[in-house]
Amino acid sequence: DTGVSQDPRHKITKRGQNVTFRCDPISEHNRLYWYRQTLGQGPEFLTYFQNEAQLEKSRLLSDRFSAERPKGSFSTLEIQRTEQGDSAMYLCASSLAGGLAGSTDTQYFGPGTRLTVL
Amino acid sequence: AQKVTQAQTEISVVEKEDVTLDCVYETRDTTYYLFWYKQPPSGELVFLIRRNSFDEQNEISGRYSWNFQKSTSSFNFTITASQVVDSAVYFCALSEARAAGNKLTFGGGTRVLVKP
Repeated sequence: DTGVSQDPRHKITKRGQNVTFRCDPISEHNRLYWYRQTLGQGPEFLTYFQNEAQLEKSRLLSDRFSAERPKGSFSTLEIQRTEQGDSAMYLCASSLAGGLAGSTDTQYFGPGTRLTVL
Repeated sequence: AQKVTQAQTEISVVEKEDVTLDCVYETRDTTYYLFWYKQPPSGELVFLIRRNSFDEQNEISGRYSWNFQKSTSSFNFTITASQVVDSAVYFCALSEARAAGNKLTFGGGTRVLVKP
């Protein structure tokens, strides 16, 4: 059983360029999450999908950010017109939603994509 | 709003010493879940434990143990007889049952450095 994978692991780009990251969740997991982690801080929630539906977006997700999960499997996170403030580690996690109301499910994380905007 | 505070930013110990990491949380929900994750230098967050708000039993797993106290809103983590491989950043996280998608709110992390 493979874990969550992310590609690329590192990305260096110039300010103003567009970048796209990919996340492949654990195969049977129906929920997929994106988080952002800046240096010395804990991860912060960006958005999540239940199957192919994007159900919540954080205020951190400006209109330059877009995420998709077209077939309910892998997901992409695109940042347009990157800014230096976008430099961070972008973490993807997946989980299997529980069947009971109010139940939660453990999120398993990928290795992250480290973005550096010059 | 949910909040997690890890007051210790960095702890340095010598191998075989015990180390306790503090975690204090805030939530208005009566049903919630607490987590600990380990982030080694490679960067990947590794799940360690999940505890729900109705289960205050302490748990031990090998050299790891967790102390959950609802009365003080704390969920502390102890590493017994620390080893160099325990060097990492440890994050405490909270999820409210009513929060959409059970999103996690993380503390700022505690960096543990175990010296040989």
